[in-house]
Amino acid sequence: QKEVEQNSGPLSVPEGAIASLNCTYSDRGSQSFFWYRQYSGKSPELIMFIYSNGDKEDGRFTAQLNKASQYVSLLIRDSQPSDSATYLCAVNIPGDSNYQLIWGAGTKLIIKP
Amino acid sequence: DTAVSQTPKYLVTQMGNDKSIKCEQNLGHDTMYWYKQDSKKFLKIMFSYNNKELIINETVPNRFSPKSPDKAHLNLHINSLELGDSAVYFCASSQAQGVVGSYEQYFGPGTRLTVT
Repeated sequence: QKEVEQNSGPLSVPEGAIASLNCTYSDRGSQSFFWYRQYSGKSPELIMFIYSNGDKEDGRFTAQLNKASQYVSLLIRDSQPSDSATYLCAVNIPGDSNYQLIWGAGTKLIIKP
Repeated sequence: DTAVSQTPKYLVTQMGNDKSIKCEQNLGHDTMYWYKQDSKKFLKIMFSYNNKELIINETVPNRFSPKSPDKAHLNLHINSLELGDSAVYFCASSQAQGVVGSYEQYFGPGTRLTVT
């Protein structure tokens, strides 16, 4: 069964520190990897996507992909209280149709002032 | 200005009733989705349409029926509502299949359904 696993947390990080969120996936053929942020009572909001091995940076966010080890991570530098949310990892299911994503259960991040 | 919109935002109804949720996107995307997010916050795909054609039809009760009148709209009709249907339902859209896999999905604000 195809799976995406995340530590549910909560992950507590001091303000200004680096928050590191991890996600592992089961299907070696997956090609597209996404990180979404979801505030309580709100809808998932896309933060970053990554297709290639290595790092991809966007402002304070860095996505890291390691296909050999089947994990993708999200680093948040200079963490702010406004970063407190649940972070969802999503991975595509390869095959005839690439439309479907498998979603992790999310990691709750708490940034302490 | 809204990219993906859903109506209603809240829906409170009694068991046995029939209700519909509507979704519209103005992003020009070809593919739309319905997700259910339960109390444990797990996102579960229900249906997906690409240019009005059903392409993902997960194992959900027959009481749930999606309809796509055009590629900008995807509605969800639920018959004979049950207590277990209480959840938040999200609509999402994306571009069609990409050469490197899936394109990112954009979500509507969600519809919180409460069945009493």
